[in-house]
Amino acid sequence: GDSVTQMEGPVTLSEEAFLTINCTYTATGYPSLFWYVQYPGEGLQLLLKATKADDKGSNKGFEATYRKETTSFHLEKGSVQVSDSAVYFCALSGQGGSEKLVFGKGTKLTVNP
Amino acid sequence: NAGVTQTPKFQVLKTGQSMTLQCAQDMNHEYMSWYRQDPGMGLRLIHYSVGAGITDQGEVPNGYNVSRSTTEDFPLRLLSAAPSQTSVYFCASSSTSGRTGELFFGEGSRLTVL
Repeated sequence: GDSVTQMEGPVTLSEEAFLTINCTYTATGYPSLFWYVQYPGEGLQLLLKATKADDKGSNKGFEATYRKETTSFHLEKGSVQVSDSAVYFCALSGQGGSEKLVFGKGTKLTVNP
Repeated sequence: NAGVTQTPKFQVLKTGQSMTLQCAQDMNHEYMSWYRQDPGMGLRLIHYSVGAGITDQGEVPNGYNVSRSTTEDFPLRLLSAAPSQTSVYFCASSSTSGRTGELFFGEGSRLTVL
């Protein structure tokens, strides 16, 4: 079945550092790919998405490119801020009629001033 | 500006007790779902609904019941709580099929079963 694997956390960075959180997926067909973010004590929010190969999703300085050849959707940000501290989830929705979103296990990011 | 509202935010139950987690959305979304979040497991889909009167099972439906009598409400029922159901529960909604992935989440309900 469909699955998402993302890098184990936690990740701790200093402010203005470069961020990469790796995400790879297994799916049949052409899934849509997403990054969700969960700030402390809150529900998840959609951060960005890409619906076809080579699409780049971007939002709030974060970017991720849908790479079908490597089945990857890595999240990047050039300069993180303390306010980016959160848990980040990679997710996919399949094309095979499944109505569910498949999530990775989440990566906790802490940014120190 | 309510969005998706879940109640209660916190609940402690004893093994064997029953309860209902409430979820309401005011965005006229057709699609609603329940996920549970466990440490190191990510989010797993329990049940979902594509419209009033229609529900279906997700990845981990055992021990949970749902119904969808109105577009706005999607309650999750635990008939006989077990310690394995200790988790944080999230309700989510979308204006289209969950396949698009643009889900709007509630703030979560933290359930502890003793």
